[in-house]
Amino acid sequence: QQKVQQSPESLIVPEGGMASLNCTSSDRNVDYFWWYRQHSGKSPKMLMSIFSNGEKEEGRFTVHLNKASLHTSLHIRDSQPSDSALYLCAASPWVGDNSKLIWGLGTSLVVNP
Amino acid sequence: NSKVIQTPRYLVKGQGQKAKMRCIPEKGHPVVFWYQQNKNNEFKFLINFQNQEVLQQIDMTEKRFSAECPSNSPCSLEIQSSEAGDSALYLCASSLWTGISNERLFFGHGTKLSVL
Repeated sequence: QQKVQQSPESLIVPEGGMASLNCTSSDRNVDYFWWYRQHSGKSPKMLMSIFSNGEKEEGRFTVHLNKASLHTSLHIRDSQPSDSALYLCAASPWVGDNSKLIWGLGTSLVVNP
Repeated sequence: NSKVIQTPRYLVKGQGQKAKMRCIPEKGHPVVFWYQQNKNNEFKFLINFQNQEVLQQIDMTEKRFSAECPSNSPCSLEIQSSEAGDSALYLCASSLWTGISNERLFFGHGTKLSVL
């Protein structure tokens, strides 16, 4: 059983549309969530991180966190074909080494032009 | 472009052969991680270092892998006797270390290992 569950497994949205990705941790010893993006054949790159309840916005990307349910979501508005990638969610304790990062299996996003 | 440099990009080995891959972390990053990403995108933590010292490693790494991060040389990860199940993308990542917060990881492009 994955301790970090991501849904959906794959998502197709039209260019200009909104993409919504979900991530929930069943491990209650986490406090910090990360979203990484991995384009095909490339290395994962950190998109956003969040540890406080509420939301955080950076350009077209908004991330929400509900600490009570350990659920985070990533929303991409005005999706572009270049956003097509694997989106990975990871969770970690607030203070601790990153070997305790727990990774989800990712959501594969395709943005159709 | 990734500032974490991994070589080689592709590695093909027969079962039982050694497989060695290298990683140069981003300048100034004392912490180095190795992950195995399989075809299902599952990330498996293998080992991490702070400077030259091993911080943590899993049992599999301890038993079957040899890893080091010498000063002034690339870090390396070597499978002593490759198995078909070792076929995967091996990702190296580096980060700062503050001790009071989590720092993001900077990944290399990975070494794709195929064990025939």
